[in-house]
Amino acid sequence: KQEVTQIPAALSVPEGENLVLNCSFTDSAIYNLQWFRQDPGKGLTSLLLIQSSQREQTSGRLNASLDKSSGRSTLYIAASQPGDSATYLCAVQKGTYKYIFGTGTRLKVLA
Amino acid sequence: DAGVIQSPRHEVTEMGQEVTLRCKPISGHDYLFWYRQTMMRGLELLIYFNNNVPIDDSGMPEDRFSAKMPNASFSTLKIQPSEPRDSAVYFCASHADPGELFFGEGSRLTVL
Repeated sequence: KQEVTQIPAALSVPEGENLVLNCSFTDSAIYNLQWFRQDPGKGLTSLLLIQSSQREQTSGRLNASLDKSSGRSTLYIAASQPGDSATYLCAVQKGTYKYIFGTGTRLKVLA
Repeated sequence: DAGVIQSPRHEVTEMGQEVTLRCKPISGHDYLFWYRQTMMRGLELLIYFNNNVPIDDSGMPEDRFSAKMPNASFSTLKIQPSEPRDSAVYFCASHADPGELFFGEGSRLTVL
């Protein structure tokens, strides 16, 4: 059974710091891995999608990597800003419809 | 595209009442999902559709829950009768396979 773990559960950092969020999964047979952010009271916003054949994706200050063999993905946020404060979730896509979500990392960037 | 559109954003109702949540997926997406999010259980998949056909409803908690997708641009999730334990945020999401999963803003349901 696929399990997805995110560590740490919560993180508080000063503005400007570079940071890494971790996502681990137990079964390497995946379609894609997707990172989302969720602001309080809002839906999940897609940040990056990494297909199983890819190693990383970049969008602005965000970079996500994928290592299927070790069952790990990291989301790197450069020069963090207070507006980055949110909960970040990773989701592993196992098949056409099956997404398994991590429990998220709650990030707070202090001004 | 406007993204996945859900309504209502908030619903407060009394136990025993019928609740209908609505969703318009992104045009061209042939998969539609209904999720429920609570603090205790996180995100749970309730049901998903492919080309308007329900494929897997094993996540629907009880017979009180039903979902329909009469056409490619509209889906409903109905709870009848509602109970306080149904209080949660209900999300609709869609994607074109393979591809990114996109979520709506959610419908926050409170059953008193």
